[in-house]
Amino acid sequence: AQRVTQPEKLLSVFKGAPVELKCNYSYSGSPELFWYVQYSRQRLQLLLRHISRESIKGFTADLNKGETSFHLKKPFAQEEDSAMYYCALGSMGRRALTFGSGTRLQVQP
Amino acid sequence: EAGVTQFPSHSVIEKGQTVTLRCDPISGHDNLYWYRRVMGKEIKFLLHFVKESKQDESGMPNNRFLAERTGGTYSTLKVQPAELEDSGVYFCASSQASGSSYEQYFGPGTRLTVT
Repeated sequence: AQRVTQPEKLLSVFKGAPVELKCNYSYSGSPELFWYVQYSRQRLQLLLRHISRESIKGFTADLNKGETSFHLKKPFAQEEDSAMYYCALGSMGRRALTFGSGTRLQVQP
Repeated sequence: EAGVTQFPSHSVIEKGQTVTLRCDPISGHDNLYWYRRVMGKEIKFLLHFVKESKQDESGMPNNRFLAERTGGTYSTLKVQPAELEDSGVYFCASSQASGSSYEQYFGPGTRLTVT
């Protein structure tokens, strides 16, 4: 069975501090991992995906198959980063996404 | 370009009543998905349409839920009869047939409250 675990419900940091939102997954096949973000009063939107290996809004995430992790990182948090972040797992042959329970990031001034 | 739209944005019904949620995907998107988030829980997959066909309905909780996508355009999700545990936010998403399999575009959600 597929599972995504985000251990922190809430992560509070000060502006300019580094951020790491944790995500671990369980899947026996070849995974595709994503981070989705939901800002206040906005819809869920894709932030980044592991196959792109890109940096979006200063965020990066590296897939570590050995540790089955896909942590989201940003070196210097901004207040506008405050949002709900969801890690999601896709799999070959099935387009449905398995989501983690989400982590609320609060960036304080 | 208009994004995924959902109607209504909020619905409050009594236990035992029927509710129908509607989703209009992005024009040209063959794939349409339904998810829901029950209070305090993670977002869970319900089902996936490819055009008008149900590709995967493994996440549908029980036979009180009926999804349709007539003509391969908009989709409806009917809950009949509604139970208290059906309360939550129902999300619809759509994606293109080709390209990134998982770049799903989400609608704003319908908040369903069953009292």
